Amino acid sequence: KNEVEQSPQNLTAQEGEFITINCSYSVGISALHWLQQHPGGGIVSLFMLSSGKKKHGRLIATINIQEKHSSLHITASHPRDSAVYICAARSAFGNEKLTFGTGTRLTIIP
Amino acid sequence: DAGVIQSPRHEVTEMGQEVTLRCKPISGHNSLFWYRQTMMRGLELLIYFNNNVPIDDSGMPEDRFSAKMPNASFSTLKIQPSEPRDSAVYFCASKLYSLGRAMDGYTFGSGTRLTVV
Repeated sequence: KNEVEQSPQNLTAQEGEFITINCSYSVGISALHWLQQHPGGGIVSLFMLSSGKKKHGRLIATINIQEKHSSLHITASHPRDSAVYICAARSAFGNEKLTFGTGTRLTIIP
Repeated sequence: DAGVIQSPRHEVTEMGQEVTLRCKPISGHNSLFWYRQTMMRGLELLIYFNNNVPIDDSGMPEDRFSAKMPNASFSTLKIQPSEPRDSAVYFCASKLYSLGRAMDGYTFGSGTRLTVV
């Protein structure tokens, strides 16, 4: 079992739909990162969170430390949101090593 | 700021040759990371530096890989000799820490796509 699990692996939705991507982890963490990788390969850091909830535009990230679970939500999805979304857990033990999920490939159809 | 700059964008080399990948982090960032991404293994941390000092190189596959950061604005990842299984996309990222705390997320470079034939 991977230390960081994401679901679903693939997600196709119609433009405008509300999207939820889930991330569960089994290790102690100091922070959870959400990354976006575009079809061209570039990686963008979306959120870094250690508790509660963060919002940026149409993107919302939440984390429940007790349940070791995080979600990334996209409201009013748009074709330009099509990308691979990756969650990564930062170790609680003082170093910067990230354990990555395998990613969720999101496709938004116009 | 132009962001994290990596070069080259693409590299095709023959097995056995030396390969050097370069990274210029964002000015003012004090941590630098080298990652490798493959279809089989996804993203993996190879090594990271704080204030130009290597902190954790446990992800470096073997002695053929080496990384240096001679100053705050430049880092290299070298593979010598290269092998076909080293083919991957190599990303560099930088981050700012203050008083031991991360001030924000990572900024990634565009990556170097390495193909070893």
